[in-house]
Amino acid sequence: YELTQPPSVSVSPGQTARITCSGDALPDQFGYWYQVKPGQAPALVMYKDNERPSGIPERFSGSSSGTTVTLTISGVQAEDEADYYCQSADSSGTYVFGSGTKVTVL
Amino acid sequence: QVQLVESGGGLVKPGRSLRLSCVASGFTFSDYYMSWIRQAPGKGLEWLSYISGSGGTISYADSVKGRFTVSRDNAKNSLYLQMSSLTAADTAIYYCARDTGTNFDSWGQGTLVTVSS
Repeated sequence: YELTQPPSVSVSPGQTARITCSGDALPDQFGYWYQVKPGQAPALVMYKDNERPSGIPERFSGSSSGTTVTLTISGVQAEDEADYYCQSADSSGTYVFGSGTKVTVL
Repeated sequence: QVQLVESGGGLVKPGRSLRLSCVASGFTFSDYYMSWIRQAPGKGLEWLSYISGSGGTISYADSVKGRFTVSRDNAKNSLYLQMSSLTAADTAIYYCARDTGTNFDSWGQGTLVTVSS
C-alpha cells in the first residue's frame, strides 16, 4: 500500500502551499501530517484529516476528498520550509507514510 | 511536557548488533503504545515497530521482522530496540514516537545509526 505525494512544492512567502497525498485506503482511513526539519524532532501538524494539534499555527489546515488528503499552508512563512509527510494505515492496520514533499519558500 | 530522548546510535559493522534506547518523560508512559520509526539518508520515514503499553502487543514492519526486537521497561519509562544482523540498508536516523493507535503525536530528536565496515 502506498501514499503518493509530490516530491516538491515551491511557494513565495505569504502565498498558499498545498500538498496532496493520494492512497486507495484514504476514503476509509484518516490522514495525518508531519513536519520534518533537519536536526529537529518531527512534529504532528494535522490529525484526522483536518484537526490541528495545539500549538500548530492556524495557517495550517487539512482536508479530505475521496482518495486524497491535502495539507494547506496559508500565508507561508520562511519557517514553514521543511519536508512534510502524510501518514495513514493500510487495511491490516499497518502504518504507512507517504513519500514526502519538500516545501521550499522562495 | 512530553519529552522523548533516544540514545545508543553510532557506527557499527555489518552483521553486528546494536541496542537503541528511548527515555520518556512528561506523561504516563505505561498508558501509551510506543513506536520506532526511521529515516535513511535522502529517504522518507519508515515505521518499524510498535509495542503496547503493557508490552503484550507487538508488531513489526516486514523489513525488520526477525532481526529487530522491541521491548519496554515501564518502571524506567524506557523503550528499547534491539537490532541484529545489521546491513548498510539499516543506516538511518532512528526515532521513537508516542503512538496514539492511529498516529504519532510526539517524537524524539532521533539517534543516528551508521552501518559500515
